[in-house]
Amino acid sequence: GQQVMQIPQYQHVQEGEDFTTYCNSSTTLSNIQWYKQRPGGHPVFLIQLVKSGEVKKQKRLTFQFGEAKKNSSLHITATQTTDVGTYFCAGRGYSTLTFGKGTMLLVSP
Amino acid sequence: NAGVTQTPKFQVLKTGQSMTLQCAQDMNHEYMSWYRQDPGMGLRLIHYSVGAGITDQGEVPNGYNVSRSTTEDFPLRLLSAAPSQTSVYFCASSYTRLAGVASTDTQYFGPGTRLTVL
Repeated sequence: GQQVMQIPQYQHVQEGEDFTTYCNSSTTLSNIQWYKQRPGGHPVFLIQLVKSGEVKKQKRLTFQFGEAKKNSSLHITATQTTDVGTYFCAGRGYSTLTFGKGTMLLVSP
Repeated sequence: NAGVTQTPKFQVLKTGQSMTLQCAQDMNHEYMSWYRQDPGMGLRLIHYSVGAGITDQGEVPNGYNVSRSTTEDFPLRLLSAAPSQTSVYFCASSYTRLAGVASTDTQYFGPGTRLTVL
């Protein structure tokens, strides 16, 4: 079945440092989605990428979808304490949406 | 517009007991799904439904049943609870998804049910 690998599992940064999480799928995806889950909360949709090579920005967050539509990344510039949480990618294959295991981000002031 | 609601928020069961986790959405979404979240395991799909009367198994369906009699409701039943089913359960809904075609299918998650099986 479809597998979605996400790295790193955990990252601890100082406020102001950059952060990147990477997502790789075993199969070509029709789209990839990114979600953020705050501690004790539920996943909240951030963005969806559909096109090969697509790049989207949301303020300090930059999302990329690989040319082969099998990998993606989320980059946060100059992290803030409000960025704390777990970031999940989710790859849409033919019939199901498969989530990566997530990257937990901790930001120290 | 309440979005996706789940009840109960917390539940403690004894091994062998059965129960139903409730999920409802008021956005007229056709696609609904159940996930469980365990530490270090991410979100794993249990069952999903592409519309009323249609359900299918996800990655980890054993020990769970679902039905979809209305568009709004998608309950998850635990037939005979086991300690391995201790987890956080999330229900999610999204707009109609066209199979095999890129589409906008943002998942809207409920607040979750934290289940402990003793």
